[in-house]
Amino acid sequence: EDQVTQSPEALRLQEGESSSLNCSYTVSGLRGLFWYRQDPGKGPEFLFTLYSAGEEKEKERLKATLTKKESFLHITAPKPEDSATYLCAGMNYGGATNKLIFGTGTLLAVQP
Amino acid sequence: DAGVTQSPTHLIKTRGQQVTLRCSPKSGHDTVSWYQQALGQGPQFIFQYYEEEERQRGNFPDRFSGHQFPNYSSELNVNALLLGDSALYLCASTQGSYGYTFGSGTRLTVV
Repeated sequence: EDQVTQSPEALRLQEGESSSLNCSYTVSGLRGLFWYRQDPGKGPEFLFTLYSAGEEKEKERLKATLTKKESFLHITAPKPEDSATYLCAGMNYGGATNKLIFGTGTLLAVQP
Repeated sequence: DAGVTQSPTHLIKTRGQQVTLRCSPKSGHDTVSWYQQALGQGPQFIFQYYEEEERQRGNFPDRFSGHQFPNYSSELNVNALLLGDSALYLCASTQGSYGYTFGSGTRLTVV
């Protein structure tokens, strides 16, 4: 069964304290690994798509990496505005279409 | 350029009632997917519409149904509401297979 697991469930950091979020996946026919940011009561906001092992992408203080079994979201010198839930999703090809299989997310709180 | 627009933003319904949620996709997008996100959980795929037809369905009962119109907008209908249907309902649109853009969602509360 296709599955995406994220850890930790929650993470509290001090401003400037770098860390990483983990996403392990088992998705048949993986077409891409997606990272989204979600603020309370809002829809997910796209951050990155990774397509092959070894690929890396960066945006401001965030860097996403991908291996054959895991993806990591590295946060360098975070600021309070980085506080949000970070969702990881594998895109599965279901024959006729693609769908996203999400993990439960990591709730990140960055304290000043 | 408007993104994905969902309406209403919030809704309160009584058990057993029916509800219709609406979604206008991002300009240029022709495919619409619906997701259910319970509190503290990740979004769960409900179904996807393309060319006014349901292309794939997740593990949701027949009480959940949908429709896509010629202008690519979409509706999600839920009949015989249960307390467990309380969730944030998200619409996502795309052109082709990649680049899903999500709306802000409709918060449905069933009492």
